[in-house]
Amino acid sequence: AQSVAQPEDQVNVAEGNPLTVKCTYSVSGNPYLFWYVQYPNRGLQFLLKYITGDNLVKGSYGFEAEFNKSQTSFHLKKPSALVSDSALYFCAVRDMINDYKLSFGAGTTVTVRA
Amino acid sequence: DAGVIQSPRHEVTEMGQEVTLRCKPISGHDYLFWYRQTMMRGLELLIYFNNNVPIDDSGMPEDRFSAKMPNASFSTLKIQPSEPRDSAVYFCASSPLSGGAFFGQGTRLTVV
Repeated sequence: AQSVAQPEDQVNVAEGNPLTVKCTYSVSGNPYLFWYVQYPNRGLQFLLKYITGDNLVKGSYGFEAEFNKSQTSFHLKKPSALVSDSALYFCAVRDMINDYKLSFGAGTTVTVRA
Repeated sequence: DAGVIQSPRHEVTEMGQEVTLRCKPISGHDYLFWYRQTMMRGLELLIYFNNNVPIDDSGMPEDRFSAKMPNASFSTLKIQPSEPRDSAVYFCASSPLSGGAFFGQGTRLTVV
C-alpha cells in the first residue's frame, strides 16, 4: 500500500517570504514523487516531479522540491512567495515497481498575503 | 494535443437518474485515472486503467458506480442511480508509463 501525508491543512506566509509545503510518503517500491497545484474551479496542474538523480528538483513558477529518502519526505519550496501562489497544493506518489497507482495527499491551502 | 478532455463540464441531475461522465485521454498515454474531489474527502482515486484494462477499482464507492474504457481514446464513468451524496467534482487524468498525470478540467456533478 502507498500513502501520502501533508501534515498542514493551511500555510500562511507574507509575500516575499520563503514558502514551504510539507509532504511525506510511504511506498513499497521505487517512488516517483510529484507536486500539483489547483486554482479555484480548475483542474490540477503539474508543478514538478522527482524520478531519479539530484535530490533537489526545480519546477514551474520558481518552485523546487527536495527529495529526502531517509526521511521519506518531498517538501515543496519557493524562496520568495507571490500573492499569485495562493492556491491548493497536492503532493502525490506513484509506485513504479508494483502497481503504478498514483495517490494524492489531502492537499495544503497556501495563502500569501500582500 | 488538446490535453485531457472531459464532458460535460457541469451536470445537474435529479436523484435516481443515470449520469454518464466522459473522458478523452491524451493520445499515447497508457494509464487513465478517475478521481473524485469533495471538501470532506479531498481527492479520491476511484479506478484506473492500463491499456484499457481496469487495474484497481477498490476506490469505487458502491455498485452504483461503474467505469469502462472501450478503447484507448475514450472512457466513461457511470452512476446509476445517482444520489445527492454523489455531488462532487470528478476528474479524469492520463499518464504515460513513467511520469505524472495530466488532468482534465473536471466535471462538476450536482445531484438534487
